[in-house]
Formats: sequence, structure tokens, C-alpha cells
Amino acid sequence: DAKTTQPNSMESNEEEPVHLPCNHSTISGTDYIHWYRQLPSQGPEYVIHGLTSNVNNRMASLAIAEDRKSSTLILHRATLRDAAVYYCILKNSGAGSYQLTFGKGTKLSVIP
Amino acid sequence: EPEVTQTPSHQVTQMGQEVILRCVPISNHLYFYWYRQILGQKVEFLVSFYNNEISEKSEIFDDQFSVERPDGSNFTLKIRSTKLEDSAMYFCASRGGGQPQHFGDGTRLSIL
Repeated sequence: DAKTTQPNSMESNEEEPVHLPCNHSTISGTDYIHWYRQLPSQGPEYVIHGLTSNVNNRMASLAIAEDRKSSTLILHRATLRDAAVYYCILKNSGAGSYQLTFGKGTKLSVIP
Repeated sequence: EPEVTQTPSHQVTQMGQEVILRCVPISNHLYFYWYRQILGQKVEFLVSFYNNEISEKSEIFDDQFSVERPDGSNFTLKIRSTKLEDSAMYFCASRGGGQPQHFGDGTRLSIL
């Protein structure tokens, strides 16, 4: 799987939008961009994924650059519960078992 | 919303003893996984399981490890003779076809 690069940490004020960047310059045409997060003392949690077009769901939005070499996870209004480590993971659609390769992610702190 | 459940939440075992970690995946899911996370480190893939057999395993998953789906609902990870370095959080995950992985909240394994 292609490599991703994320900042080690970010801070946000509560109730403000958060933009979490991810660079993936070696992404291939069939790689999906997945975001998971891990709250303290919990297992990873699926957030969102996309291929080319921007995606929205109840948790977040995913903005994908036109060249697909970067993407941004957008939390529209950060809450204290959003404090977590956020992982950007590429997954080839043709891969068999779909194991996930986690990096170090971005640790998001939310300030009340 | 359906959840992946793991038991026990914390397991303390003497070095050299066998340990079985249990998981109940989401009921209509077909693909099952174990991951581990040593304190302060990344989440690491151990093994994936589909159609009653291992589909992929990592280098960590050596002969001391085994997995089983004994009764169509549980999915277990057995460590035959535990070592100090097996101390970690162990996460079970499951997914349906073409769906993201859903993780449990993990079992903390402490080897004394």
C-alpha cells in the first residue's frame, strides 16, 4: 500500500472547524483514501472514505485534491469527543483481505 | 448500531501460559481480523480470516498464534505460550463485503 504523511499533532478550539491534512503523493489510481480515528482507550473507528470525489457523511467530510496526491478530513464543528488520533490509510480496491496498515496518525486535541 | 464485542476487557496471564481472547463480530459480517497495539505504538495487523481459513497473516503471527471461529458467532485468538512481549491491546475487527472494518474496544493483555 502507498505511504501517507500526516502531521503528528493538531489543536482546535471546541465548536470550530478542523481540517486534518494527509499527503499521499504515490497514490495509485485504484487506491481508496480511508480515514479512521482512535479515541483514548478505544479501538479504531471508521470515519469516511473516498476515491476521487469529495464525500460527506454524518461524521465528517473528505476533500480530495484533483490530482489525488493529498486529501483533507474536515470536522465541521469540533467537540471534545472528537479528540482522538486520526489515521489516513490508502487501500487498494483490488487487494484481497483488506488489512489496514496504520501509521502514527495525527493526534487532535480539542480545547474547550 | 451493531458492535464488535471483545472479552475479557483485561487479561492477566503468567508468562508461558496459554491465553484465549474472544470476539463476537457483527452478525452478518464475513471477514474477520485481529490487530494488536503495544503501548504507545502503532496498531499492527496480525491476521485476517475468511471462509473458515486464514487469508493473510503478518510476520508477528508466528506458530504461537492461532485463530478459530468455533461456532459461527465467536472468533478467537489463541496464544499458545505467552511471552512478555505479547503484552498489548488486542483488537478484533469484522466487515461485510465491500464495507469498512468495525473494531471492538480491545482486550488488554498483561503478561507477568
